[in-house]
Amino acid sequence: GDSVTQMEGPVTLSEEAFLTINCTYTATGYPSLFWYVQYPGEGLQLLLKATKADDKGSNKGFEATYRKETTSFHLEKGSVQVSDSAVYFCALSGGSSNTGKLIFGQGTTLQVKP
Amino acid sequence: DVKVTQSSRYLVKRTGEKVFLECVQDMDHENMFWYRQDPGLGLRLIYFSYDVKMKEKGDIPEGYSVSREKKERFSLILESASTNQTSMYLCASTPLARNEQYFGPGTRLTVT
Repeated sequence: GDSVTQMEGPVTLSEEAFLTINCTYTATGYPSLFWYVQYPGEGLQLLLKATKADDKGSNKGFEATYRKETTSFHLEKGSVQVSDSAVYFCALSGGSSNTGKLIFGQGTTLQVKP
Repeated sequence: DVKVTQSSRYLVKRTGEKVFLECVQDMDHENMFWYRQDPGLGLRLIYFSYDVKMKEKGDIPEGYSVSREKKERFSLILESASTNQTSMYLCASTPLARNEQYFGPGTRLTVT
């Protein structure tokens, strides 16, 4: 079945450092890919998405490119801030199923220190 | 703005109690979902519904049931709560033709 694998955390960075959180997926068909963010004590918020190969999603300085050849959707940010500390989830939808279900990775905790 | 609300942010229940978790969305979305979130396991789908009175089992439905009597409301029921159901429960909704989900703030349930 479809699955998503994220790099294990926690990831600890200093402010203004470069961030990469790796995400790879296994899916049949043509899934859409998402990054969600969960700030402490809150629900998940959609951060960015890409719906087809080579699409780049971007929001709030974060970017991710849908790479079909490597089945990857790595999240990057050039300069992180303390306020980016959160849990980040990679997810896919629509691979072998079109019910709107999301398949999530296990989440990666990011801690940014001043 | 889409708003998904959950009836409680924190809940403490005793083993064997019947527990109701309520979720309401205000954007006329067809699909609604219940997940539980546990450290190291990410989000796991319990049940989902794509229409009023319709429901489908997710990956971990055992010990749970759901009810959707109105389009905007999707309830998760723990018939007899157990300690292994202590978790964060998240509700989400999405319109029919889209696949990006909108989440509520979550209910942290503790079963003692």
